[in-house]
Amino acid sequence: AQSVTQLGSHVSVSEGALVLLRCNYSSSVPPYLFWYVQYPNQGLQLLLKYTTGATLVKGINGFEAEFKKSETSFHLTKPSAHMSDAAEYFCAVTSNAGGTSYGKLTFGQGTILTVHP
Amino acid sequence: EPEVTQTPSHQVTQMGQEVILRCVPISNHLYFYWYRQILGQKVEFLVSFYNNEISEKSEIFDDQFSVERPDGSNFTLKIRSTKLEDSAMYFCASRKTSSSSYEQYFGPGTRLTVT
Repeated sequence: AQSVTQLGSHVSVSEGALVLLRCNYSSSVPPYLFWYVQYPNQGLQLLLKYTTGATLVKGINGFEAEFKKSETSFHLTKPSAHMSDAAEYFCAVTSNAGGTSYGKLTFGQGTILTVHP
Repeated sequence: EPEVTQTPSHQVTQMGQEVILRCVPISNHLYFYWYRQILGQKVEFLVSFYNNEISEKSEIFDDQFSVERPDGSNFTLKIRSTKLEDSAMYFCASRKTSSSSYEQYFGPGTRLTVT
């Protein structure tokens, strides 16, 4: 079974400050990892993904995340927060377990990011 | 840019009634999913659908739930007899067949309120 833990249900930063949203996963097989963002009254939008290859992945809106297998982490960062980054962020995991997985996503609890002027 | 659409955006129903939530996945995608998010809780997987049949389902997806792809474009979730605890946001998602990328594209959701 796979699981995701997001540390901190709420994170508050000032505009221009570093954003760090934490995600740890548990998986017995090589994971595929994702960050999604949900703006109020909207669906889930893919920010970035890690499948294989380079462990530092870049996504939309200046976000990036680093896959650290030894720490089972996939933390999301952005050097400088913008007011428009205020949203809820979800980390998710899936895998290709022996080629039979149909790709269901297991989500973390979500982290609400607030950006102060 | 192609997107997943869902209708209605909000559905209010009485306990015991049947509801059908509709989704139009991205046209060249072959895997389809339903997830739900109860208010204040995490997004939970309900069911995946591939090649016109259910490929995987969670323990939540009991006999009260069913899915269908009736006409090659729509993808529906039916709840036969709604319960209060079915109140949630329901998300449809789809993805391409490529095995090298498991990213799913989500619709805006249908908020189901059971009274």
